[in-house]
Amino acid sequence: NAGVTQTPKFQVLKTGQSMTLQCAQDMNHEYMSWYRQDPGMGLRLIHYSVGAGITDQGEVPNGYNVSRSTTEDFPLRLLSAAPSQTSVYFCASSYSPIGTPSGNTIYFGEGSWLTVV
Amino acid sequence: DAKTTQPTSMDCAEGRAANLPCNHSTISGNEYVYWYRQIHSQGPQYIIHGLKNNETNEMASLIITEDRKSSTLILPHATLRDTAVYYCIVRERGAQKLVFGQGTRLTINP
Repeated sequence: NAGVTQTPKFQVLKTGQSMTLQCAQDMNHEYMSWYRQDPGMGLRLIHYSVGAGITDQGEVPNGYNVSRSTTEDFPLRLLSAAPSQTSVYFCASSYSPIGTPSGNTIYFGEGSWLTVV
Repeated sequence: DAKTTQPTSMDCAEGRAANLPCNHSTISGNEYVYWYRQIHSQGPQYIIHGLKNNETNEMASLIITEDRKSSTLILPHATLRDTAVYYCIVRERGAQKLVFGQGTRLTINP
């Protein structure tokens, strides 16, 4: 059981480049989300999904796209990277949406360190 | 905006109980209190959550006051591996996100 797997772990991009951060979970979780964490700060929600084919915006969605074509995968796309997107990105999942009895335990991946120069 | 207030940092001796306080004076009736921790550079780890009653699991205990305006996370026998930032989170009703504030940086000393 691999849990939540993120790739790549480290990435350096030039301003204006695009890339996709991959996230996969093997726990058959319906709920998946992406957070970013800037140095010395708490996590902020970028986008989330409550099931395949359903996505919604979080607190800081600008500059990012997501899709959820399968239950297992939830990729995060940076459309045109900017230095302000330098951050650590965490993917997370739970069995069901937050607030439901089985949705209160959220599992986080190990993070993807992104630097935009 | 974060709905919780936590001390910025705390220290605890190894083997002793670590008691981490959290104020959530504006909490409403159906909102849960969650505790997560983040060990340096790793993804956050779920610890425990509760609504009204005290809760205990293999990691910790959660004591919620009767008026629900504050809570305390208790690590009964702290080890060096418990050194981390601990986040107390109150989820807004209906919101599909957890708002992570600054948390409490807990240092366990030998």
